[in-house]
Amino acid sequence: DAGVIQSPRHEVTEMGQEVTLRCKPISGHNSLFWYRQTMMRGLELLIYFNNNVPIDDSGMPEDRFSAKMPNASFSTLKIQPSEPRDSAVYFCASSNRVHNSPLHFGNGTRLTVT
Amino acid sequence: RKEVEQDPGPFNVPEGATVAFNCTYSNSASQSFFWYRQDCRKEPKLLMSVYSSGNEDGRFTAQLNRASQYISLLIRDSKLSDSATYLCVVNHDMRFGAGTRLTVKP
Repeated sequence: DAGVIQSPRHEVTEMGQEVTLRCKPISGHNSLFWYRQTMMRGLELLIYFNNNVPIDDSGMPEDRFSAKMPNASFSTLKIQPSEPRDSAVYFCASSNRVHNSPLHFGNGTRLTVT
Repeated sequence: RKEVEQDPGPFNVPEGATVAFNCTYSNSASQSFFWYRQDCRKEPKLLMSVYSSGNEDGRFTAQLNRASQYISLLIRDSKLSDSATYLCVVNHDMRFGAGTRLTVKP
């Protein structure tokens, strides 16, 4: 049974470039979450979707960040333009909130912006 | 006040010790609670769900105190392999606590 799939695993880019992170949630899960983790700030919730609709994006740092979920099996997190302070590990997770089920995480994308 | 707060770490304990972590939450409407374990450079993985009546899984016991709005995790007979960061999360908005780092030493 496939878990949450994220790509790429690692991304190194230069400041000012656009970065797109991808996530495929577990089939049948109706909620998808994007998190960012750094040593300083811990695991921060950026945005989450229920049934492909963004519910809470209050954690998105600024307008440079955007997230979409065009269908139940795919989501993207885009940073444009990227900055060195965006360097972090970005996790995607999915769950079935209808049943109050726990989160299942992907392996994460380690982003380095130079 | 943050939505979810955890005991500050790190906890350094000898093998065989019993260690407990607490996690307080601010939203009284929260319904589901979970403990996750995160190893270095890995994703968080579900350790235990926390039920109203409390639950036990081997050496691990999780409890919920709704009146005081906190959950706890107790680890008995700690092993070297228990060394990790332990994170709590509340279902209402899926925000995590800062995590408590545990190191179990020989």
